[in-house]
Amino acid sequence: DAKTTQPPSMDCAEGRAANLPCNHSTISGNEYVYWYRQIHSQGPQYIIHGLKNNETNEMASLIITEDRKSSTLILPHATLRDTAVYYCIVRVHSSGSARQLTFGSGTQLTVLP
Amino acid sequence: DTEVTQTPKHLVMGMTNKKSLKCEQHMGHRAMYWYKQKAKKPPELMFVYSYEKLSINESVPSRFSPECPNSSLLNLHLHALQPEDSALYLCASSPQVAVRGGDISPLHFGNGTRLTVT
Repeated sequence: DAKTTQPPSMDCAEGRAANLPCNHSTISGNEYVYWYRQIHSQGPQYIIHGLKNNETNEMASLIITEDRKSSTLILPHATLRDTAVYYCIVRVHSSGSARQLTFGSGTQLTVLP
Repeated sequence: DTEVTQTPKHLVMGMTNKKSLKCEQHMGHRAMYWYKQKAKKPPELMFVYSYEKLSINESVPSRFSPECPNSSLLNLHLHALQPEDSALYLCASSPQVAVRGGDISPLHFGNGTRLTVT
């Protein structure tokens, strides 16, 4: 699985959009980009994933560049409860087998009141 | 709340003790995972079970022994642990649907068992 690079920490004002970048310059064609977050003292929580196209769900939007070498997770209106470590992960898929998720160092997002 | 339930939430054990961590899910998922997380570090994969069979062991010491008695349960048996094994132990599951192109299902994590070895 490709390696990812994320800034170690970011701050965001409550109510503003939080834009979390991730670099995955060695990503290959069959690797998906996943985002998880981990709130203190809880297990990681799935947010969103994508392959090529931008994706949006009730939690966030995922913007993947055309060359797929980087992506940005957008939390449109950050709240204090969004304070967490955000992990960007690339994950290859193979038919019929369980594929492990390998976590990088992540970004500590702190939403400020 | 999480759909993956881990018990106990906290565990303190001595180096000569034998204990077990339990994980349960009722989502019909056929893949289950154990991860270990040290303080301020990302989770690290330990084991993967696929259809109740061990499919991945990430060179974990034998003092950690996983068991998958059925598709809903995953245990981690602990024996003769060291203080450096103190960590948060996370269980996860995924549907493991064998579809064309592979399984893209996200993992569902429990909130973990905080283990302290004294």
